Amino acid sequence: DIQMTQSPSTLSASVGDRVTITCRASQSISSWLAWYQQKPGKAPKLLIYKASSLESGVPSRFSGSGSGTEFTLTISSLQPDDFATYYCQQYNSYLWTFGQGTKVEIK
Amino acid sequence: QITLKESGPTLVKPTQTLTLTCTFSGFSLSTSGVGVGWIRQPPGKALEWLALIYWNDDKRYSPSLKSRLTITKDTSKNQVVLTMTNMDPVDTATYYCAHNGAVAGPFDYWGQGTLVTVSS
Repeated sequence: DIQMTQSPSTLSASVGDRVTITCRASQSISSWLAWYQQKPGKAPKLLIYKASSLESGVPSRFSGSGSGTEFTLTISSLQPDDFATYYCQQYNSYLWTFGQGTKVEIK
Repeated sequence: QITLKESGPTLVKPTQTLTLTCTFSGFSLSTSGVGVGWIRQPPGKALEWLALIYWNDDKRYSPSLKSRLTITKDTSKNQVVLTMTNMDPVDTATYYCAHNGAVAGPFDYWGQGTLVTVSS
């Protein structure tokens, strides 16, 4: 099974900060990686797919990069609505695995 | 507009079988490439993918739970059903169904989730 490891687990930041979250796969997944945002009591929301493609309607301050085993999600200027938990997910070879999540907190 | 909604019991006893139904609208499970999956999330923990069924009845299961899961679809009713046998308190979680619009792709639309508690 492919394991996904996110870092950090928790991140404290201020409005306007540039924020980067890292996700590592235990083996190469090419670019088959998605990023989701989840707020308390809500379903996850797809932000990024195929490592760097922005889902329709998602603000351009969100961006993704990487391929193979190392990926990043960047929020260029953190907004109040962005305080949430972020999950990476690989979707290589008909199996889907999530990372353990990164909680972005207000500093 | 694609919507999905989960339904089923909120409380099940240990060893019982859980049956959850996902009722969706805005797409058809007879359309090539389309799938519906199930994902769960224990309170305060991470997401875990469980199962997925495709338009052509191809079914995929999490290897760690495969022996306990069955996923089926009723295209005429726009429903997908997940059964999980031998429920245990560790299976307490919010269960989500989600639309998969590209073969082996990400989940682009999600239901609101339903909390299932396993307790005697």
